[in-house]
Amino acid sequence: EVQLVESGGGLVQPGMSLRLSCAASGFTFHDYAMHWVRQSPGKGLEWVSGIAWNHGPIGYADSVKGRFTISRDNAGNALYLQMNSLRPEDTALYFCVKDIEPYNYYYGLEVWGQGTTVTVSS
Amino acid sequence: QSVLTQPPSASGTPGQRVTISCSGGSSNIGRNTVNWFQQLPGTAPKLLIYKNNKRSSGVPDRFSGSKSGTSASLAISGLQSDDEAYYYCAAWDDSLNDFYVFGTGTEVTVL
Repeated sequence: EVQLVESGGGLVQPGMSLRLSCAASGFTFHDYAMHWVRQSPGKGLEWVSGIAWNHGPIGYADSVKGRFTISRDNAGNALYLQMNSLRPEDTALYFCVKDIEPYNYYYGLEVWGQGTTVTVSS
Repeated sequence: QSVLTQPPSASGTPGQRVTISCSGGSSNIGRNTVNWFQQLPGTAPKLLIYKNNKRSSGVPDRFSGSKSGTSASLAISGLQSDDEAYYYCAAWDDSLNDFYVFGTGTEVTVL
């Protein structure tokens, strides 16, 4: 069974940093693109960033570009999101998501973790 | 970065057919395939439809997707009470740099 378990969320002050992690299991991790998607309280979904199977970054949302960095450890089956210069508008539930097809990221986000909550407030 | 436009709400009685529209542009729906997600209250989104009209594993055939030009739609036939949820369309946008854009979301209510 495919499982994605996020961790690392918490309450931080504006301007601080946080690193999210996602532990993946049940599939050949190094074959798939992975993504971070967030959902602010009571709001819709926003794609944050994605990374290809070979570590190449797919891209970032304009709202986080220059502040967030996505990375992965294929040997350890883990996905990361380094979040710097956090702002109150970054407050959200952050989901780790697996792509649907190997060696491709244009077809869909298939499996979602349960998310980890980030709250940015003074 | 743009978003895809959906109606904020849709409703129907049990057994009815409900259709949700999703409007985009040439750089997203016009050039790339469309996904549909269902999000039940308090849960993570679930992929329903990928590649415009392919049902994800385990999704009943009451759910169907279609695409024409820069628009797409999701149809739910034989509406059931547990279909009450938010539904989001999504597609890759390659206007400048690749990014994945979601629709504004539609809340489906079963009357």
